[in-house]
Amino acid sequence: QEKVQQSPESLIVPEGAMVSLNCSFSDSASQSIWWYQQHPGKGPKALISIFSNGNKKEGRLTVYLNRASLHVYLHIKDSQPSDSAVYLCAVINYGSSGNKLIFGIGTLLSVKP
Amino acid sequence: ETAVFQTPNYHVTQVGNEVSFNCKQTLGHDTMYWYKQDSKKLLKIMFSYNNKQLIVNETVPRRFSPQSSDKAHLNLRIKSVEPEDSAVYLCASSWGGEQYFGPGTRLTVL
Repeated sequence: QEKVQQSPESLIVPEGAMVSLNCSFSDSASQSIWWYQQHPGKGPKALISIFSNGNKKEGRLTVYLNRASLHVYLHIKDSQPSDSAVYLCAVINYGSSGNKLIFGIGTLLSVKP
Repeated sequence: ETAVFQTPNYHVTQVGNEVSFNCKQTLGHDTMYWYKQDSKKLLKIMFSYNNKQLIVNETVPRRFSPQSSDKAHLNLRIKSVEPEDSAVYLCASSWGGEQYFGPGTRLTVL
C-alpha cells in the first residue's frame, strides 16, 4: 500500500518568504504526484502536478520530483497571506476504473502579514 | 467556481440512524469519488465509480454504500451510523489526473 508522508506538519512564515514543503512516497512506480491546497471549510483544489524527474514551474509555484529518492518538493515564492491553507501531497495511480489518489496528512501553512 | 455540489453542508444525527448525502458534478467527468476526511485532516478514498463500475476501498465498512442515477450524480448512504463515522465527506470527480472536489458534508454522530 502506497504511503505518503509530509513535512513539516505546520509552518509559519512572514509575508514575502519562500516556502518549501516536503513530501515522500513509497512506490517509485507511482505515476504522478499532485499538490492540492485546502482552505478551511472547503474541498481541496489542485495546484500543480509532476510526472517526470526534475522541475516544473507555474507562476509562484515550483515543484521538484526526484523519483530515485522518492521525494517531491513544493516551493512557493513570495508567499502571501492568501496562501495560508493546508497543502496536501497526493500520489496518483491511473487505472481503467479511475484514478486512485493516496494523500498525505498535509502541511498547515500560515503566512503572516 | 464550484462545479461539484454537495448537500447538505452539515448533518447531526444519532447512533443507528440512516443518513444520505448528495453529490452532483456539472463538469461532464466520467468518474466520481467519495472520500472521508477525519479529524486529523487525513483524506482517504472510499469509493470510485466509473461507467457503472464501482471500486470499493476494502477498509470501508459495509454500512456505507454509494448510489448513482447517472454519471453526474453519486450519493452516499450510511445505513446505521456509528460514532467513528463523524468526519467530513468529500465528493470529487475527474477526467484524467486532476480531481475536482466539492465543499464537503460534515457529519456529527452523537
